[in-house]
Amino acid sequence: NFMLTQPHSVSESPGKTVTISCTRSSGSIASNYVQWYQQRPGSSPTTVIYEDNQRPSGVPDRFSGSIDSSSNSASLTISGLKTEDEADYYCQSYDSSNRWVFGGGTKLTVL
Amino acid sequence: QVQLVQSGSELKKPGASVKVSCKASGYTFTSYAMNWVRQAPGQGLEWMGWINTNTGNPTYAQGFTGRFVFSLDTSVSTAYLQISSLKAEDTAVYYCATDILTGYLDYWGQGTLVTVSS
Repeated sequence: NFMLTQPHSVSESPGKTVTISCTRSSGSIASNYVQWYQQRPGSSPTTVIYEDNQRPSGVPDRFSGSIDSSSNSASLTISGLKTEDEADYYCQSYDSSNRWVFGGGTKLTVL
Repeated sequence: QVQLVQSGSELKKPGASVKVSCKASGYTFTSYAMNWVRQAPGQGLEWMGWINTNTGNPTYAQGFTGRFVFSLDTSVSTAYLQISSLKAEDTAVYYCATDILTGYLDYWGQGTLVTVSS
């Protein structure tokens, strides 16, 4: 099975832009969609991006997703950072047998 | 509105069993898969597998075979996770989640904390 590797933590100031990476260990990042989930402390996760770059209804357009085949990675970019964006973010994808995998998570601090 | 309501926290001794429930409402239960996700204290999310709510066929992720069983009671729109021969390392929050909107984990239960301690 493959792994998804994320940085443990990132931090940025309010109003700035931050990008969180998610690198797939084997198999092409482009072969299976990537989702991103936000988990605030004490809460259940919510979806912020699905199918690489789609936003569910209600997710602000400050959140965007992309993939880069050259680095075999996906990215979540949050622009115009707000303190409410402070949370853990997890990428998730799957393999050809529909086995799902989560990345280890990235703690975003907005300071 | 769609809701997944899970059973309350459990404190169990090593070797015991636990059954976590996840009651769904606001949609047709048998039309969408139910996934289970584990989160150990201070750790990340782990996908445990899913159950086809139409056929009852479960699929378990690596590391979740043998002691973990997914089941259903479609008459009450409820999915269950049973863990047997509990170990301290099973201490975690267990979430159910379904894929109604996007095909991924759109709706999550509130989580059930299972603590295994002597």
